[in-house]
Amino acid sequence: GIQVEQSPPDLILQEGANSTLRCNFSDSVNNLQWFHQNPWGQLINLFYIPSGTKQNGRLSATTVATERYSLLYISSSQTTDSGVYFCAGFKGGTYKYIFGTGTRLKVLA
Amino acid sequence: EPEVTQTPSHQVTQMGQEVILRCVPISNHLYFYWYRQILGQKVEFLVSFYNNEISEKSEIFDDQFSVERPDGSNFTLKIRSTKLEDSAMYFCASSRGPSYEQYFGPGTRLTVT
Repeated sequence: GIQVEQSPPDLILQEGANSTLRCNFSDSVNNLQWFHQNPWGQLINLFYIPSGTKQNGRLSATTVATERYSLLYISSSQTTDSGVYFCAGFKGGTYKYIFGTGTRLKVLA
Repeated sequence: EPEVTQTPSHQVTQMGQEVILRCVPISNHLYFYWYRQILGQKVEFLVSFYNNEISEKSEIFDDQFSVERPDGSNFTLKIRSTKLEDSAMYFCASSRGPSYEQYFGPGTRLTVT
């Protein structure tokens, strides 16, 4: 099956800093989602981005499907951005998203 | 905005007992899923369900697990005889199609003692 690796595994930022999170896939995927898991454990949808670039406020994501990676950019980070960020890929012919190992982000005030 | 709901939010059970976790998917979605997350680990796929049938299941989803859509709105996951290693957060998700965006419920934290 597909392997999904995320980097870095852990990240500590000062409030206001920018960061880039990366997601690599071992095989091509047809669709990709980014999630934020908040401290209460909820999975919040951030982006549904099979290819190209999308922006939502301070967050943006880019997926380069041909090179099997996706990037999540967080600008002007806030303490509420803390939590774990997961990417998940979907491969055609299956019925499931495969999740990455996650990046644990802590933003300090 | 429509959302996936799950009940209960937390369930404590003794080893060997049966548990049923409940989910109400988004109303116009046709595909339903269960995932689980052991504390501190990644989210793992369990099963997908469409048209009252299992579409795909993982190795984790053995004979102790079953899913059902008992009516037009609920989707349930049953664990017949719980083990300590079943302790995890269980997420329900739904989507309009298999490759479409999946929306996750808030999760049920299952603790087996």
